[in-house]
Amino acid sequence: DAGVIQSPRHEVTEMGQEVTLRCKPISGHDYLFWYRQTMMRGLELLIYFNNNVPIDDSGMPEDRFSAKMPNASFSTLKIQPSEPRDSAVYFCASSGLLGRGEQYFGPGTRLTVT
Amino acid sequence: AQSVTQLDSQVPVFEEAPVELRCNYSSSVSVYLFWYVQYPNQGLQLLLKYLSGSTLVESINGFEAEFNKSQTSFHLRKPSVHISDTAEYFCAVTPDGTSYGKLTFGQGTILTVHP
Repeated sequence: DAGVIQSPRHEVTEMGQEVTLRCKPISGHDYLFWYRQTMMRGLELLIYFNNNVPIDDSGMPEDRFSAKMPNASFSTLKIQPSEPRDSAVYFCASSGLLGRGEQYFGPGTRLTVT
Repeated sequence: AQSVTQLDSQVPVFEEAPVELRCNYSSSVSVYLFWYVQYPNQGLQLLLKYLSGSTLVESINGFEAEFNKSQTSFHLRKPSVHISDTAEYFCAVTPDGTSYGKLTFGQGTILTVHP
């Protein structure tokens, strides 16, 4: 398996623009997680899905952030409008029933909002 | 709910010295425990995990961790570190059995190995 795939790997955008981050989980995994990592706040869980259904979005910072999982092999995290404080590395991770909670992380998307 | 405390935010050590990264957790139910490692500019990778059985678990690159239920700890140790072990290490916990879902991570410990 190719592991968790994220795109783009780097994104530079101007304040006010819409940003869409993409994630393809490992095939067969039924959980998908979106994290944000910054120097100031460390690793934060934004939202997670089980069987494509959002279970907990309490970590989503505000209404500018939204996440979808239209099918088992694809998820998006959208920021609209983006702000400089959204600059961070965004990770997607997936896990499956047999893994007993073990999560597999993607390489991350480094977002810079100028 | 679970919580994880990594007692040291940064641990500097010289090459070939032993190291211990401390992790304590809080939970009202039984848990699975994990250590993840993040090398610079990379995602998190699983280092080792405790699910059940022997309380001492080992990784392929010489790290080990011991689950201590009475002290609610899962400290990570290595008897002799290498420069390549320089990374950030995260301890994480999730409820065991079928009730797991998300992982609760600690704040991370940055291990810096000096020559």
